[in-house]
Amino acid sequence: DTGVSQNPRHKITKRGQNVTFRCDPISEHNRLYWYRQTLGQGPEFLTYFQNEAQLEKSRLLSDRFSAERPKGSFSTLEIQRTEQGDSAMYLCASSLAGGGGNTIYFGEGSWLTVV
Amino acid sequence: GQSLEQPSEVTAVEGAIVQINCTYQTSGFYGLSWYQQHDGGAPTFLSYNGLDGLEETGRFSSFLSRSDSYGYLLLQELQMKDSASYFCAVPRGDLFFGTGTRLTVIP
Repeated sequence: DTGVSQNPRHKITKRGQNVTFRCDPISEHNRLYWYRQTLGQGPEFLTYFQNEAQLEKSRLLSDRFSAERPKGSFSTLEIQRTEQGDSAMYLCASSLAGGGGNTIYFGEGSWLTVV
Repeated sequence: GQSLEQPSEVTAVEGAIVQINCTYQTSGFYGLSWYQQHDGGAPTFLSYNGLDGLEETGRFSSFLSRSDSYGYLLLQELQMKDSASYFCAVPRGDLFFGTGTRLTVIP
C-alpha cells in the first residue's frame, strides 16, 4: 500500500493524558499536513510541513499540540494534557509542493476519544 | 478572512442529476477543488478547476466562474454509493475546506 498511513486508527484516552499519532506520507511527497475533523464539519487545518520545516500553524494548534517531521519523512502529532474537546478525527495528508490543483491525499485518519 | 459556502444537505433520486454549489470569498484565489468523503472514511480528491469553465471526469463534472466567485459540482446518473459528504476547497499553502454538503441518494 503506497498511500498515506496513520496509526493508531483509534485511541481512547483519559482526560489529562498525552497521546501521539504517527503519519507516514506517500514516499515522494514533500508536503505533509495535519487536519482535525469533527462530525458534520469539514477538515480544519492544523499545520503543515515542507520537508522537515514546519511552514504554518493554525491558531487551532494550542500550546498543548506539537507536531514534528524529523528528516522530512514521517510525522508525529502529540497532544498533551488532553481535554474532552480534543475528541475528533485527526487526518494526515501529503502532497507534492506546487502540484497541479494542490491535490492532497489523505490517510484514513486517527480517531481520538477523550473520556 | 476566507469563507466557502455550500448547502448543508441535498437529497436526490438514484439515476438523477444533482448540482452542489459553492460560493467563496478568499484572498489570492488559485482555484477550486472538490473532495468526497464517505462516513468514517478519508476525504478523496474528485476534481480541480484552475481556470473558468467545466472540467469533466466520468459522471462527475465541476465548474468555476471566477467573476462570480462561484463553482459547482455536478453528479450525473446518481448511484447509491454517491451518498457521501462533498467539500469544496481552496488552496492557500494548505487546503481550506468548506463545511461540506451531505448528499443522500434515495431509490
